[in-house]
Parts: sequence; structure tokens; C-alpha cells
Amino acid sequence: SQTIHQWPATLVQPVGSPLSLECTVEGTSNPNLYWYRQAAGRGLQLLFYSVGIGQISSEVPQNLSASRPQDRQFILSSKKLLLSDSGFYLCAWSVRRGAGENFGPGTRLLVL
Amino acid sequence: AQKVTQAQTEISVVEKEDVTLDCVYETRDTTYYLFWYKQPPSGELVFLIRRNSFDEQNEISGRYSWNFQKSTSSFNFTITASQVVDSAVYFCALRPYNTDKLIFGTGTRLQVFP
Repeated sequence: SQTIHQWPATLVQPVGSPLSLECTVEGTSNPNLYWYRQAAGRGLQLLFYSVGIGQISSEVPQNLSASRPQDRQFILSSKKLLLSDSGFYLCAWSVRRGAGENFGPGTRLLVL
Repeated sequence: AQKVTQAQTEISVVEKEDVTLDCVYETRDTTYYLFWYKQPPSGELVFLIRRNSFDEQNEISGRYSWNFQKSTSSFNFTITASQVVDSAVYFCALRPYNTDKLIFGTGTRLQVFP
């Protein structure tokens, strides 16, 4: 069966510090991978998605970036965090078109 | 434009009441998929249902039922005999066939009181 892992579960970082959130998927090959952000009490905002290794589509211009170094690994990064980067970050995967997205447990990021 | 509207931001009911969460979508595509997700307080999104645009049959799963009406572009979700454990934020989402991403509504927060 397929599983998705995200870590860390919670992170508190100072403004200006770097960020690296990792997501890995098991039990499937060549999935679509996604990063979403959810601000407190708000809806889901798609940040990046990837249909293959090295292929990244950015939905919202910001100081975040994403990379997919391996088929089932998706990394969200920032060189310098802003206060507005605080939120709940969710990684998700799906098979090719038509399927829904399966979400990971999420990472709560607080930037102080 | 492709869009999902969940006009109800928050609903409160007492346990055992029935509750319907509304979802209206916009798309020009003839082939698309609709979804509902549940986000309990723990945060993780839980997949509830997927429906394709060619299947307008209503679906029932236990206390959950879904009413898909293409004529009104709606995909409403009803919980019968609600329970406290149903308290969560519920998201409706749309995926046009030729795209790789979901379009989410803003969610409806459901609170079920004992």
C-alpha cells in the first residue's frame, strides 16, 4: 500500500533562517507530487507541483522553492524565511490525471 | 474560469441533526472530477469521495451521502445523524481532466455539539 511521509511534524524557525521540508512517498512509482500551504483558519493554497524528476511548476511567486531530486522525494526550501511563511504545509501525491490527491500528515511551521 | 465555491464558512449543529454542506463549481470542461476531503483538528486531509462528470448517480456511504447535479453545477454533501467526531473542516475540490492539480474551495467548518 502507498504511504506518504513528511518531516518534521512541527518546526519553529527565526525570521531569515533557511528552511527544508521533506516529503517521501512509498509504494508507488512516478507519482505527481504537490506542496500546499494552509494559513491559520484559511483554505489550501497550491505552492508547487511536479509531474516528474526535476520538473517543478510554481503556482505562487514567493521566496519558497521546490525540488524533486528523486522520483518519490519532494523538498520544499527557502533561503530566508519571512513571518508570512508561517502555516501548515501539506505534501500530497496522486497517480496520473483523474485521481484525487493523497495527503501527508503536514508540517506546522511557525516563523518568529 | 475554473472555480469551487463553498459559501458556508461555518455550520454548527447539535448531535443527531442532519447537515448539508454546499459546493458549487465552475468549469468549461466536459470531463472533470469532483472530490470531498475532511480535515479533522489533527490537520491531515482525508479523502472522502471522488466523482466523475459522467456519473450523476447519488452516492451513499454509511451516514454520508453526496448529491451531484450537473444542471446546477453542484456537488453537495450530507451527513445524516451527525456525531461529534464529524467536527472538521470539509473541502470540496474540482479537477478538470486535462490538468494535474486540484482546485479547492475555501472549506466549510462543521461543529457538532453534544
